[in-house]
Amino acid sequence: AQSVTQLGSHVSVSEGALVLLRCNYSSSVPPYLFWYVQYPNQGLQLLLKYTSAATLVKGINGFEAEFKKSETSFHLTKPSAHMSDAAEYFCAVSDRGGDSWGKLQFGAGTQVVVTP
Amino acid sequence: DAGVIQSPRHEVTEMGQEVTLRCKPISGHNSLFWYRQTMMRGLELLIYFNNNVPIDDSGMPEDRFSAKMPNASFSTLKIQPSEPRDSAVYFCASSSDRSFWPQHFGDGTRLSIL
Repeated sequence: AQSVTQLGSHVSVSEGALVLLRCNYSSSVPPYLFWYVQYPNQGLQLLLKYTSAATLVKGINGFEAEFKKSETSFHLTKPSAHMSDAAEYFCAVSDRGGDSWGKLQFGAGTQVVVTP
Repeated sequence: DAGVIQSPRHEVTEMGQEVTLRCKPISGHNSLFWYRQTMMRGLELLIYFNNNVPIDDSGMPEDRFSAKMPNASFSTLKIQPSEPRDSAVYFCASSSDRSFWPQHFGDGTRLSIL
């Protein structure tokens, strides 16, 4: 079964600075990969997904992520943080086949704080 | 378009009581997922349905938990009897069968068992 690791449970960035959130997956077979964002008292909202096309994926709100097979990584970035980016971010993976197909495995989440 | 609708948004009840959480998926979506979120365990998939049929319930913690999907527009998650350790936020999500992803999440039910 897939597993996903998010490095850093809390990240603090200054407004206007680069946001970098790290995600690594465990499988030798590239899975489907997702980033979700959760604002307080809300459900998760999809930021972007990687299924098999371009390795650099652009999402909503200026976020993008790059799939690197050699590093088994799918890090999320945004060039310039905005106060509204303060939220919790989850990386998730799903197998391309097998018994766990269709099931999302979530990372532990990274809480992003944006300081003025 | 209406998103995934969950009710109630908040539930506070005493230990031993029956709790029923409800979910209306997005119209046209035929996969439905129930998750539980806690500080200790993060997001856990409890059960998911495809075309109203339970596909995988391996995440359901105990026999006290049960889920049904009687039709394409409604699902319930029931806990009977409830225990304090069941306190969590429960999310429902749905997705289209044509593209199994992405999953669209409701705003959750915050459950507190006293």
